Amino acid sequence: ETGVTQTPRHLVMGMTNKKSLKCEQHLGHNAMYWYKQSAKKPLELMFVYNFKEQTENNSVPSRFSPECPNSSHLFLHLHTLQPEDSALYLCASSSWGGDNEQFFGPGTRLTVL
Amino acid sequence: RKEVEQDPGPFNVPEGATVAFNCTYSNSASQSFFWYRQDCRKEPKLLMSVYSSGNEDGRFTAQLNRASQYISLLIRDSKLSDSATYLCVVNINDKIIFGKGTRLHILP
Repeated sequence: ETGVTQTPRHLVMGMTNKKSLKCEQHLGHNAMYWYKQSAKKPLELMFVYNFKEQTENNSVPSRFSPECPNSSHLFLHLHTLQPEDSALYLCASSSWGGDNEQFFGPGTRLTVL
Repeated sequence: RKEVEQDPGPFNVPEGATVAFNCTYSNSASQSFFWYRQDCRKEPKLLMSVYSSGNEDGRFTAQLNRASQYISLLIRDSKLSDSATYLCVVNINDKIIFGKGTRLHILP
């Protein structure tokens, strides 16, 4: 398998549920990212990991908890979400450095009821 | 002022026409610039980087104007397959900022 994969592709959860999103990259990159894309808003960078170390957390609520066990895998653990958290969650990877192309996964479409 | 601003469109353009859109950025320390393309219900993909001297890739031309703090994308001889949302991306000290995107519809 090549590129960046994300599972699940669609997720519906209640506000009291706990779920996790998974991202895997097969490109040999050392940086991984979580983005949120809501309707009528720009892509919002949530978290950045470089060589498994978190280098950026853009004031994301604690109900979103990232985990990066190695350079190829990235998780986003979700708990007690709100309906306004419904969005497309995109994972991306790149070689480290802002000049490098980011490769995106297909995203997880999350609906919080 | 928003960090990265784009006209959301939509731009409705007949096939074969030339279309151009701009993106303005607020931080003069911005270091690098990109155009990404996002098709409906798909993930963004890099279209082209934007170099200081301007660059061209087939029908696509990107320009950077540092004095006025904007980048532009020109599409010549537009095709139906060019219909998409075009995202302006700015790198400021390794922080990547996306614009909201400009929607382009190419009409047959």
